[in-house]
Parts: sequence; C-alpha cells; structure tokens
Amino acid sequence: GAVVSQHPSRVICKSGTSVKIECRSLDFQATTMFWYRQFPKKSLMLMATSNEGSKATYEQGVEKDKFLINHASLTLSTLTVTSAHPEDSSFYICSAGVHYEQYFGPGTRLTVT
Amino acid sequence: QKEVEQNSGPLSVPEGAIASLNCTYSDRGSQSFFWYRQYSGKSPELIMSIYSNGDKEDGRFTAQLNKASQYVSLLIRDSQPSDSATYLCAVMNTGNQFYFGTGTSLTVIP
Repeated sequence: GAVVSQHPSRVICKSGTSVKIECRSLDFQATTMFWYRQFPKKSLMLMATSNEGSKATYEQGVEKDKFLINHASLTLSTLTVTSAHPEDSSFYICSAGVHYEQYFGPGTRLTVT
Repeated sequence: QKEVEQNSGPLSVPEGAIASLNCTYSDRGSQSFFWYRQYSGKSPELIMSIYSNGDKEDGRFTAQLNKASQYVSLLIRDSQPSDSATYLCAVMNTGNQFYFGTGTSLTVIP
C-alpha cells in the first residue's frame, strides 16, 4: 500500500511555456500532499504543502504565482510551473502522508530549453 | 541551528561490513523519526520508521533512537553494493512539520 504516482516522469519544454505535473495517491486518500524540488547532488527542498480544498502553503522564497498548486480531490494534487525558464529545470517530487509516514512519488524531471 | 543534521559523508564501507549512519535533531519534543534511501536520480524510499526509544530491527536494518540525546541512527548489517545510496533522516516535530536532513552518501565497496 501507500503508493504515490506522478505524471509525467520526464518533460522537456521551451522557455516561457507552462508545465503541469500530476501527483496521485493510488491506494489511499491524502488530505495533504507535499511538493519538493531537488537540484543535482543537492538535498530535497520543500516548496509547498498542498491541502485538499484549500490554498497551498508555500515555503519562504517560493513564488506562489509561478508554482501553482491545486489539490482538487483527496487523491490528486497538481503543480503547474508557469512561464518556465531554464533555471526551473530540476527534479520535482511529490509526497503524501499516511498516518505519520510520508511516501514519495517517483519524481518528474523537468528540463526547460 | 538546523532542525535535522546529518554528516554528508561520503561514507565508504567494505562489502559485508556494518554501515552506521547518524542524525541529530533540534526539537526535543519530536516523536516520529524516519530513514529514507535515495538512489541517484530516483525519489526517496521509506525504509524505516521509529517512534520509541531503543532499537527497531527490520532485516539487515536497525534504527536506534535516543530521545534524551536527540539522536537517531541507522545500522546496515552485511552491507551490499546495492546499499550504495544517499540516506536521508527525517523528523516530524511537535508542530507536525516534517524536516529532512541533507543526507549521507554511502558507498559499499565490493
């Protein structure tokens, strides 16, 4: 149990376009999901906490107008990177909690050209 | 002071040896502690959770928690090359906030 999926696994987009990443909890309901970003050989950085039915809570320094998060159901949260630029190229990972444990999706590697 | 601190390593051990990974945390009231393994280019995978003082064993893995010292460790017995990865310590603090350490890179040498 506690499986989290992400789609797409890889995406390449042109600078200035928007990209949507989906995070789904497959076998449980998640009122809270988390979005992380990880640059090569760097640690996980929490971007935002996604709450079902309400606005996401963003970490300091993360632009909420650039990284749009929607948590419309108990099994789906989406992250949209708007007007992507090459510096947004990174590994984006979502996670969802079951009791006190967090389970991660497989990640989405975004490359902005 | 960071919420969770780990030695970044790299830690190298020969195959078959015991690898010892350590983590300290700052919020004395924290109750939930986790170890994740992350292979290069992959997302973290939960391998152990521990909530009470003492040892918790799962196969070749043993998590050790000492709340008085605010210290949690992970021992990997009979280390295998496939254990080579970055190990992340995570702590849920009294505010139910989840914090990760920066990870310790482990290399098991055949």
